[in-house]
Amino acid sequence: TQLLEQSPQFLSIQEGENLTVYCNSSSVFSSLQWYRQEPGEGPVLLVTVVTGGEVKKLKRLTFQFGDARKDSSLHITAAQTGDTGLYLCAGVMNYGGSQGNLIFGKGTKLSVKP
Amino acid sequence: DADVTQTPRNRITKTGKRIMLECSQTKGHDRMYWYRQDPGLGLRLIYYSFDVKDINKGEISDGYSVSRQAQAKFSLSLESAIPNQTALYFCATSETTGGLQPQHFGDGTRLSIL
Repeated sequence: TQLLEQSPQFLSIQEGENLTVYCNSSSVFSSLQWYRQEPGEGPVLLVTVVTGGEVKKLKRLTFQFGDARKDSSLHITAAQTGDTGLYLCAGVMNYGGSQGNLIFGKGTKLSVKP
Repeated sequence: DADVTQTPRNRITKTGKRIMLECSQTKGHDRMYWYRQDPGLGLRLIYYSFDVKDINKGEISDGYSVSRQAQAKFSLSLESAIPNQTALYFCATSETTGGLQPQHFGDGTRLSIL
């Protein structure tokens, strides 16, 4: 059973378009992180959200944590070719269900074409 | 220099061989992790260590062992490699658990077992 479901699995868009990536669960998470991974490198943290309903912005990227802390979304405005990569959500389950360790989703592979 | 260094970066070996993947860090973090990444499966936790005397199994520890030689060094061994252990392996560190701090990843070891 995958605790964190990401969708879509693959996304190919043109430069300048907007997109949203989703991370959903039936479990409550005490915090959720988004990472971006480029080929040949390890994941790099983009943001951490901890409060239900929280919205964080990082330039053209907007992250939202659901009110019930079971889901999150990443919205990119006016995508650029440099946004290409694998986007991973990862969370720590509430009530110590994962011993404080991160549980990762399977990732969304984004390709932005010029 | 990278904060988290993994060696080797690539390794091809045969079924039944013993393999050691090494990880060293300069971040001064107590917590270290080993993950494997397979296409379409995200990152899965193999082992983790909260300090030199603390080693814990993760989600998929069968067929693997680890050694925490020092605060800065955490190695992963495959005692008798099998083809389904072909994957991308990542070492990571963090300052704390609980998902409030980032995990810092190395650039990975691509392991192929023939």
